Amino acid sequence: GAGVSQSPSNKVTEKGKDVELRCDPISGHTALYWYRQSLGQGLEFLIYFQGNSAPDKSGLPSDRFSAERTGGSVSTLTIQRTQQEDSAVYLCASSLRAPGQGTPTSTDTQYFGPGTRLTVL
Amino acid sequence: AQSVTQLGSHVSVSEGALVLLRCNYSSSVPPYLFWYVQYPNQGLQLLLKYTSAATLVKGINGFEAEFKKSETSFHLTKPSAHMSDAAEYFCAVSEFDKLIFGTGTRLQVFP
Repeated sequence: GAGVSQSPSNKVTEKGKDVELRCDPISGHTALYWYRQSLGQGLEFLIYFQGNSAPDKSGLPSDRFSAERTGGSVSTLTIQRTQQEDSAVYLCASSLRAPGQGTPTSTDTQYFGPGTRLTVL
Repeated sequence: AQSVTQLGSHVSVSEGALVLLRCNYSSSVPPYLFWYVQYPNQGLQLLLKYTSAATLVKGINGFEAEFKKSETSFHLTKPSAHMSDAAEYFCAVSEFDKLIFGTGTRLQVFP
């Protein structure tokens, strides 16, 4: 079946503008994750959704970052008033079960999308 | 908090040579460990995962990894490198609702 898809694949924006990044998870996957991959910081967790709720937003770097998930499917990551340090590849992943439904830590494979490369000029 | 350390940001091998990518973890609970591969301009693809069922884990593309609790290691190996193995490899540990990644190792394969 189809994997995780993300759009756009590339986004160039000017400093101070808002951007929206979209993630379409694998159908039937309960859990959805956002990560950021940047040169200086490596791969960082941003936020995790269980259904439509976000039990863990601990990785969001500032209040300019927000995310929502509707209908237990598509998720949007919004960055307001973008800064140059926001330039990175934003990766989305999904997994079948949400952590906690089985064991406290999840052994379920997270399937990653191709990412959105964000460049803030 | 759990963490992962990957020794060597770059590894170069000749085609046909042994591949060894190192990963050490720090965890206060029995860890669940993963190796992912990232080809240029692509997302992450799971190579293999350790979930306590067996200490020697076989993955895709001929890769395998051995969980050694005494050494807190989960090194990735492949007996014979192929040109198509050139990519970046990430070790990760599962912490509740997230994956904690190492800094990655870029593998170069020379003919």
